[in-house]
Amino acid sequence: DAKTTQPTSMDCAEGRAANLPCNHSTISGNEYVYWYRQIHSQGPQYIIHGLKNNETNEMASLIITEDRKSSTLILPHATLRDTAVYYCIVSRRNEKLTFGTGTRLTIIP
Amino acid sequence: GAVVSQHPSWVICKSGTSVKIECRSLDFQATTMFWYRQFPKQSLMLMATSNEGSKATYEQGVEKDKFLINHASLTLSTLTVTSAHPEDSSFYICSASGLALGDNEQFFGPGTRLTVL
Repeated sequence: DAKTTQPTSMDCAEGRAANLPCNHSTISGNEYVYWYRQIHSQGPQYIIHGLKNNETNEMASLIITEDRKSSTLILPHATLRDTAVYYCIVSRRNEKLTFGTGTRLTIIP
Repeated sequence: GAVVSQHPSWVICKSGTSVKIECRSLDFQATTMFWYRQFPKQSLMLMATSNEGSKATYEQGVEKDKFLINHASLTLSTLTVTSAHPEDSSFYICSASGLALGDNEQFFGPGTRLTVL
């Protein structure tokens, strides 16, 4: 599986958009980009995933660069409940997910 | 999204005893279930992958005789920690995926915190 690189931590003001970057320069053509988050002492929560095109759902938007070597998760209006560790994972369909260290996002009141 | 439950949510046991953790997919058929563990301030580490009706595939370094996994139905997988010791104390999390869910979205359970005294 391709490896991902994420900043260790980020802060974002409540109500602003949180933009979380992820580099995956060795991604293969059949690998998807998945985003999960983990709030303290809970199981990870699925957020969004994509292959080539940008994706949006009720939680977030995923912007994937044209060369697919990086992506950005956007939480449009961050709330205090969005404080969590965010994991960017690259994986083929139906294969295991390998979690890195993720980005610890703290929403500041 | 799909719902995955785990039971118990926490357990405390004496050293040398065995503990069983259940993972259920509540509203979908899970063809594949995964078991992870997470030590404090660390990321999730995959322990094993199990497909319904077949033997689990363990990750390197995970003892299959110590961590018994059964995936007997499309909605239930169990992890049994045999002869537990304090170093097995951890947060155990399962996830499940199913063909009906599309592009291999995995949905995670809430986790089980195991403390071995």
